Amino acid sequence: GDSVTQMEGPVTLSEEAFLTINCTYTATGYPSLFWYVQYPGEGLQLLLKATKADDKGSNKGFEATYRKETTSFHLEKGSVQVSDSAVYFCALSDPGTASKLTFGTGTRLQVTL
Amino acid sequence: GAGVSQSPSNKVTEKGKDVELRCDPISGHTALYWYRQSLGQGLEFLIYFQGNSAPDKSGLPSDRFSAERTGGSVSTLTIQRTQQEDSAVYLCASRRGATGDGTQYFGPGTRLLVL
Repeated sequence: GDSVTQMEGPVTLSEEAFLTINCTYTATGYPSLFWYVQYPGEGLQLLLKATKADDKGSNKGFEATYRKETTSFHLEKGSVQVSDSAVYFCALSDPGTASKLTFGTGTRLQVTL
Repeated sequence: GAGVSQSPSNKVTEKGKDVELRCDPISGHTALYWYRQSLGQGLEFLIYFQGNSAPDKSGLPSDRFSAERTGGSVSTLTIQRTQQEDSAVYLCASRRGATGDGTQYFGPGTRLLVL
């Protein structure tokens, strides 16, 4: 079945540091890929998405590129802020059948001054 | 417009009691999902409704869990004879239709604590 593997956290960075959170997936077809973010005490929010190979999703300075050859969708940001502290979830979905999202375990990011 | 709403936001119950959790999806969204977020298991799919089709119940952990969706809109997740391991945050999500890129929009969740 489908699965998502993302790097273990927590990740602790100083403000303005570069961020990478690795995500790889296993899927039988051509899934859509997502990054969701969960701020403390809040629900899941869609951060960005990509629906086909080589697509780049971007939002709020975050980027991720759908790499079919390496089955990866790594999240990057050039300069993190304290307000980016949250838990980040990588997920995939089969686009044709409106099926469930399959999530990674989540990576907690803590940004300090 | 209004997002996905869930109620109650928090629920404390005693072991063995039944609980009902409610989800109001985004207006016009035909697909509705329930997930469970717990410390040991991460985010788990529970059940999926699409229009008037039979729901996909493949993620329900036991027969104590059930869900219905009335009139293609509001959904209720019911847990009977609650156990302490049912303590978790229950998330509802909706999606516009049966096809497309799969984007789901989540509600704030119901935090359930079983004592």
